[in-house]
Amino acid sequence: KNEVEQSPQNLTAQEGEFITINCSYSVGISALHWLQQHPGGGIVSLFMLSSGKKKHGRLIATINIQEKHSSLHITASHPRDSAVYICAVSQFYFGTGTSLTVIP
Amino acid sequence: SQTIHQWPATLVQPVGSPLSLECTVEGTSNPNLYWYRQAAGRGLQLLFYSVGIGQISSEVPQNLSASRPQDRQFILSSKKLLLSDSGFYLCAWSEAVNTEAFFGQGTRLTVV
Repeated sequence: KNEVEQSPQNLTAQEGEFITINCSYSVGISALHWLQQHPGGGIVSLFMLSSGKKKHGRLIATINIQEKHSSLHITASHPRDSAVYICAVSQFYFGTGTSLTVIP
Repeated sequence: SQTIHQWPATLVQPVGSPLSLECTVEGTSNPNLYWYRQAAGRGLQLLFYSVGIGQISSEVPQNLSASRPQDRQFILSSKKLLLSDSGFYLCAWSEAVNTEAFFGQGTRLTVV
């Protein structure tokens, strides 16, 4: 069993839909990261959080430390949101990613 | 502002040949540095990390090694590449273990 599990693995949505990606982890945590990887491979950090909720534009990340669970939400999804979203615990443990495709 | 450079972007190497991938960071001092590999269809795997010059921690035993000859330079090496070394290699830096990480653009290595 991986230390970090993400679901779903693949997700296709229509433009404008509300999207949720889930992340569960089994290791101790100081910070959880949500990353975005575009088709070319480059990775961008979206959020780093250790409690509660953070919001940046249409993206919202939440974490429940007791349940060892985090979610990434995208409101009003857009085709440019199409990417792989990766959950990571510290810099050491990574989920396998959720491949999101938003169809116009 | 801080920037991270990683090169080359793509590399095709024969089995048994050596490897050297270089990563440099600008605009910060004493960063934590990381090498990751992403095999096809799999998640990122931490290979090495360094908290200072000459300090290397290896997370996964394998055919690779890392060195940090200067504060902002991190090198991933192999003496003899294997087919299984093919993958996407990413360098990253952060100020500390649990702070935001910044990634290089990656090197796509194909061993043939």
